[in-house]
Amino acid sequence: DQQVKQNSPSLSVQEGRISILNCDYTNSMFDYFLWYKKYPAEGPTFLISISSIKDKNEDGRFTVFLNKSAKHLSLHIVPSQPGDSAVYFCAASANYNDMRFGAGTRLTVKP
Amino acid sequence: GAVVSQHPSWVICKSGTSVKIECRSLDFQATTMFWYRQFPKQSLMLMATSNEGSKATYEQGVEKDKFLINHASLTLSTLTVTSAHPEDSSFYICGAPTGSSYNSPLHFGNGTRLTVT
Repeated sequence: DQQVKQNSPSLSVQEGRISILNCDYTNSMFDYFLWYKKYPAEGPTFLISISSIKDKNEDGRFTVFLNKSAKHLSLHIVPSQPGDSAVYFCAASANYNDMRFGAGTRLTVKP
Repeated sequence: GAVVSQHPSWVICKSGTSVKIECRSLDFQATTMFWYRQFPKQSLMLMATSNEGSKATYEQGVEKDKFLINHASLTLSTLTVTSAHPEDSSFYICGAPTGSSYNSPLHFGNGTRLTVT
C-alpha cells in the first residue's frame, strides 16, 4: 500500500516564482519527513527535513510545512530557479526501517 | 558531506546470470544500509535493510533467495541479484544514514541501472 502519496506527477513554474510541491501520508506513526531531489541516473539528494514536533522548517530558498492533522506536507521553493528542475520525492519515516517514498513530482522551472 | 558510492552504475546481463551491486560509505561508517528499487515513474520501493554483522531484513514480497544481501563491513553492503530475469530490470539504489538518531536523513548512492536481456 502507498503510505506516502504525491498526487501531482509534474509541475511547471516560471523562474522567480514560487514552486509548491505537495505530499500526503496515511500512516499516523510517521514522525520524520524529508524531501529529496533527484536528477536522472543519479541517486536522490537530501534537501530538507522536518520532525513532527515542528510545523515549519526553513533552509534558504526551501521551506517545508507540516500539517499533522491533515497528514500533509509541502515544500516551497522561492524564488524558483532553472537549476531546481528535477524530480522531488517526499519521504516519511517512523524509524530506520520504515522510510517510505512518494512517487515523485517532476518540477520544471522555465527561464 | 556524506558520500555513498554505488557500483556499477549500469549493467546489462543475460537472463539466468547473477549480478552483484556494491554500496560503500566513503567517509562514514554505516551499520545499516537500505536497498531500494525504482520502476519507471514510480516511487522508490524499500526492498531490504542491510545490517552489519547480522542478517538482512526483507520487506514483504521480496524474495530473500533471489536478492542476496551481505553487509560485510561497516562501509560495504552488497546486493546480488541471482538468476536474473527480465522482470528484474530496474533501478536499484542504496542509502545509508549518517547519524545515530533515527531522525537522520539517508544519503544515497547514484544507483545501478540493471537490464536483463
